[in-house]
Amino acid sequence: QKEVEQDPGPLSVPEGAIVSLNCTYSNSAFQYFMWYRQYSRKGPELLMYTYSSGNKEDGRFTAQVDKSSKYISLFIRDSQPSDSATYLCAMSATGNTPLVFGKGTRLSVIA
Amino acid sequence: NAGVTQTPKFRILKIGQSMTLQCTQDMNHNYMYWYRQDPGMGLKLIYYSVGAGITDKGEVPNGYNVSRSTTEDFPLRLELAAPSQTSVYFCASSYSRNEQFFGPGTRLTVL
Repeated sequence: QKEVEQDPGPLSVPEGAIVSLNCTYSNSAFQYFMWYRQYSRKGPELLMYTYSSGNKEDGRFTAQVDKSSKYISLFIRDSQPSDSATYLCAMSATGNTPLVFGKGTRLSVIA
Repeated sequence: NAGVTQTPKFRILKIGQSMTLQCTQDMNHNYMYWYRQDPGMGLKLIYYSVGAGITDKGEVPNGYNVSRSTTEDFPLRLELAAPSQTSVYFCASSYSRNEQFFGPGTRLTVL
C-alpha cells in the first residue's frame, strides 16, 4: 500500500459546481496536512495547511481532515475556470520530517 | 521579493554530459529542497538541506549531488546524465518544513 493515495483524475466539472478532492494515507503518524495547487507548467503553490483533525476554511476552499479514517479532503465551492489545475495533497509526521506528496488530481472547470 | 528562482528554464543534454541546476531564494529560509516530477508520479524528493553546510538524501538521490555553501543557494549537480533523469526539477524553500515555496521549475531532457 502506498503511503499516500490520490485519484489522478482527470476530473471535469461545470463552472459553479462544488468540487471534492481527496487523499487517503496509511501512516497514522501524519499530523500536518497540506494542499498545493499547480497550474500547468508552473511550480506548486501552497493553498491550505491544517494540523491534526478538523476543518479549515479560506474563502471558497475548505480543507477537512479525518485522522480516524486516514482521509483528507479539499472542497472548492462555486468553482471557477481559474481553479483548473492539478491539486496535490502533502503530509508529514512532524515539523522536522520530509513531506510526502500524493500524485495529484487534475481538475478542469468548464465555463 | 523574487522568492525562489531557478535557472535554466529548459535544457537538453546528451547522455553522459553533466550540468548544474541553479536555485536561489531571497526569503532567508533555512530549509531548501530539490524535487523531481515525472508525469503522473507526483513529487519525489532528491536532496534537502536544513541550513548552510548541511545536506541530506531524499527518496531518489542516485545520480545527483548537492552543496549548500550559503543560505540563499542550493545547486543540484548531475554528473553523468542518463535518459532516466529526464524530468521537471523543482527547487523549494521553507522557514518550517511544511510550508514550502516552490520555484518555477527546470525542464530537462536527456537524449
